[in-house]
Amino acid sequence: KQEVTQIPAALSVPEGENLVLNCSFTDSAIYNLQWFRQDPGKGLTSLLLIQSSQREQTSGRLNASLDKSSGRSTLYIAASQPGDSATYLCAVPPPKDTGRRALTFGSGTRLQVQP
Amino acid sequence: SQTIHQWPATLVQPVGSPLSLECTVEGTSNPNLYWYRQAAGRGLQLLFYSVGIGQISSEVPQNLSASRPQDRQFILSSKKLLLSDSGFYLCAWGGMSSYNEQFFGPGTRLTVL
Repeated sequence: KQEVTQIPAALSVPEGENLVLNCSFTDSAIYNLQWFRQDPGKGLTSLLLIQSSQREQTSGRLNASLDKSSGRSTLYIAASQPGDSATYLCAVPPPKDTGRRALTFGSGTRLQVQP
Repeated sequence: SQTIHQWPATLVQPVGSPLSLECTVEGTSNPNLYWYRQAAGRGLQLLFYSVGIGQISSEVPQNLSASRPQDRQFILSSKKLLLSDSGFYLCAWGGMSSYNEQFFGPGTRLTVL
């Protein structure tokens, strides 16, 4: 059974700092990994989808990396801003031959960027 | 571009009352549709998914049901709400394969009293 872990659970940084959020998964046979952002009381916003064949995916100040062999993904946020404050979630899809559909989510990292 | 809508945004219902939450998607055809529940301290749990009109699958047994009367409409229902049904309900859509990106709606906060 796939398990997804995110460390740290919470992070507080001053504005302007570069930071890394970590996501680890137990079953390396994944097809992709998706990073989401969730603001309090809101839905999930998809940030990046990184395919298993990719090692990195970039969008603006965000860069996601994927190392399937070690079961890890990182989300790098450059020059953090107070508007980046949110909970960040990573998720992986189930194996293709299981017939399941549910994404497996990590528990999230709650980020606060201090102005 | 694709957009996903959910309503209502917030709902407070007494135990034993019925429930109907609606989700609609615009800008795409024949999407896979999903209902997730996010409960405090328990993460996101997939409740139902649908690959087409009238096709509903459930990942976990529960007090809820789902229907897909139209290609881009997904409804979550209950005949009698329980206290344990409280939570944040999120609708999502994805491509034909579950391995495509999933895009989430704004959510409905349900409180059962």
